[in-house]
Amino acid sequence: QKEVEQDPGPLSVPEGAIVSLNCTYSNSAFQYFMWYRQYSRKGPELLMYTYSSGNKEDGRFTAQVDKSSKYISLFIRDSQPSDSATYLCAMWTGNQFYFGTGTSLTVIP
Amino acid sequence: KAGVTQTPRYLIKTRGQQVTLSCSPISGHRSVSWYQQTPGQGLQFLFEYFSETQRNKGNFPGRFSGRQFSNSRSEMNVSTLELGDSALYLCASSLVSGGNSPLHFGNGTRLTVT
Repeated sequence: QKEVEQDPGPLSVPEGAIVSLNCTYSNSAFQYFMWYRQYSRKGPELLMYTYSSGNKEDGRFTAQVDKSSKYISLFIRDSQPSDSATYLCAMWTGNQFYFGTGTSLTVIP
Repeated sequence: KAGVTQTPRYLIKTRGQQVTLSCSPISGHRSVSWYQQTPGQGLQFLFEYFSETQRNKGNFPGRFSGRQFSNSRSEMNVSTLELGDSALYLCASSLVSGGNSPLHFGNGTRLTVT
């Protein structure tokens, strides 16, 4: 079993839709949680960073962490074609970061 | 502020050769980590350097090595290249080592081994 599980998609939505991206993890020692966006031929770009359970909002993006269920989510409101990318979740477990394999998202104009 | 810079962007090598990849972190960042990204495995951790010392190492063979210089710049070396080493190699920097200091990535070096 992988440390972090993420549905690879692909996910295709119409412009303006609300997108929900999710990761589950198995190690309760995971402490810090991040979401990255990766465009084709580019490196991952940090989108959201959070520590505690609950919600954190930044513009159209909301990161949600549920430590009791070992589940994190990223919500994108009013999705735009420019949001088309691969989204990676990441978390820290005391000595290294673990990454999900990424969910490919396409927003159709 | 300039981001993480990786050179070269693309490399084509032959099996058995060796290769050196370079990474310049964000100014002020003292930790540099290296990852291998492949379609099937995602991001796999290679190693992390902080203040010129290797802090942690992933499950890769000894053919993969790295080092960090006093100005925090880092290099990664792969010897005796194999076809399976073809991947995107990503360097990431952070202020310090630890989960409370998120990673900032460069755009990677695409290595193709023929």
